[in-house]
Amino acid sequence: VVMTQSPLSLPVTLGQPASISCRSSQGLVYSDGSIYLNWFHQRPGQSPRLLIHRVSNRDSGVPDRFSGSGSGTDFTLKISRVEAEDVGVYFCMQGTHWPFTFGGGTKVEIK
Amino acid sequence: QVQLVESGGGLVEPGGSLRLSCAASGFMFSDSYMTWIRQSPGKGLEWLSYISGSGADISYVDSVKGRFTVSRDNAKDSLYLQMNGLRPEDTAVYYCARYARVPQRWGKGTTVTVSS
Repeated sequence: VVMTQSPLSLPVTLGQPASISCRSSQGLVYSDGSIYLNWFHQRPGQSPRLLIHRVSNRDSGVPDRFSGSGSGTDFTLKISRVEAEDVGVYFCMQGTHWPFTFGGGTKVEIK
Repeated sequence: QVQLVESGGGLVEPGGSLRLSCAASGFMFSDSYMTWIRQSPGKGLEWLSYISGSGADISYVDSVKGRFTVSRDNAKDSLYLQMNGLRPEDTAVYYCARYARVPQRWGKGTTVTVSS
């Protein structure tokens, strides 16, 4: 399953919203009814951190300015008000069809 | 809290072997699917393998099938990746992670460089 993210780069203004798109080449509904579409954030020199799992569920400790949505083959990660610590690369990932696959990443930077 | 610490990376010549280890703590290791993922500048993030808590359920991505072997020792709370027949394209940072379909926690990674 190919995961396609857009944009590749996203310059944002502090305090403004941001949105990242992720499209899968096929549907992601698993046999248990869940949609294993996850979002990660990676800061330079660090390992990826899980933000959102199964489309819209924030992992523990993730600020509520992060939200996920989508269905079918189109998914979105939104940041309601960007803060300086949000810079880095965001990845979507599907855990429904083996081999699980990641998007190419969206680099978020402050204008 | 959940902690994962990878080790065993290094510089190896093409065709060589390495064994990566991942020491786990802070959770019931024997109950958890575990995963190996790698990241390289050229290929981005790539799933390699997962293994169930009992070790009975194992899968590999095609690019490493037949060359890499995942295993675990639940008595030692440790995950392993035996890598044989290494190629330059295997150069990457290798991460272990807890769970499979939702890799919730990742280690900091260990770097593998395959070069002559």
